[in-house]
Amino acid sequence: ETGVTQTPRHLVMGMTNKKSLKCEQHLGHNAMYWYKQSAKKPLELMFVYNFKEQTENNSVPSRFSPECPNSSHLFLHLHTLQPEDSALYLCASSTGEPGEKLFFGSGTQLSVL
Amino acid sequence: QKEVEQDPGPLSVPEGAIVSLNCTYSNSAFQYFMWYRQYSRKGPELLMYTYSSGNKEDGRFTAQVDKSSKYISLFIRDSQPSDSATYLCAMSRYSGGGADGLTFGKGTHLIIQP
Repeated sequence: ETGVTQTPRHLVMGMTNKKSLKCEQHLGHNAMYWYKQSAKKPLELMFVYNFKEQTENNSVPSRFSPECPNSSHLFLHLHTLQPEDSALYLCASSTGEPGEKLFFGSGTQLSVL
Repeated sequence: QKEVEQDPGPLSVPEGAIVSLNCTYSNSAFQYFMWYRQYSRKGPELLMYTYSSGNKEDGRFTAQVDKSSKYISLFIRDSQPSDSATYLCAMSRYSGGGADGLTFGKGTHLIIQP
């Protein structure tokens, strides 16, 4: 089983839907991250959790709502999204130490219609 | 000025060539420097990790960091078609708190022609 698992791999949703992305890490790490990857743009850090506490919220719109029930699981709840939110959403984990080495999942490719 | 600049390419080279990939950055607080490789429809995977200035070699890959110039490089020797991917540079500040997340470049799309 891979170190960081994301589900679903693909998601198509309308602007009025509510959906959730799930991430699970099997590496014994303490920190988990959500990144957004859009075409021709750098990866954008969205949220960071360290020991289940949110330590970073990078001015993300409130239609994205993260949840971290424990150090192994991370969710991203989505509601009333816009077409420009279509992107690859990547989850990552690390030990949480300075100079953190991030390990990524394969991502969820999200399309908002 | 963007924090990290990276030419998105595509960069196309023949098999066996030496590939040079580069990033520049503006924030002198960055202390840790990484290169990730990302294949199509996959997440990025860590390829090289360097702390502060200097060189690091791992097989066919060499990472160089020049903090005085705010410039980092990745060299790939004897390039193979399987090296075709997007290469992302990433950087981290030193932080006593730990998890801050990495700052990434846009990525360079590399194509190795057989």
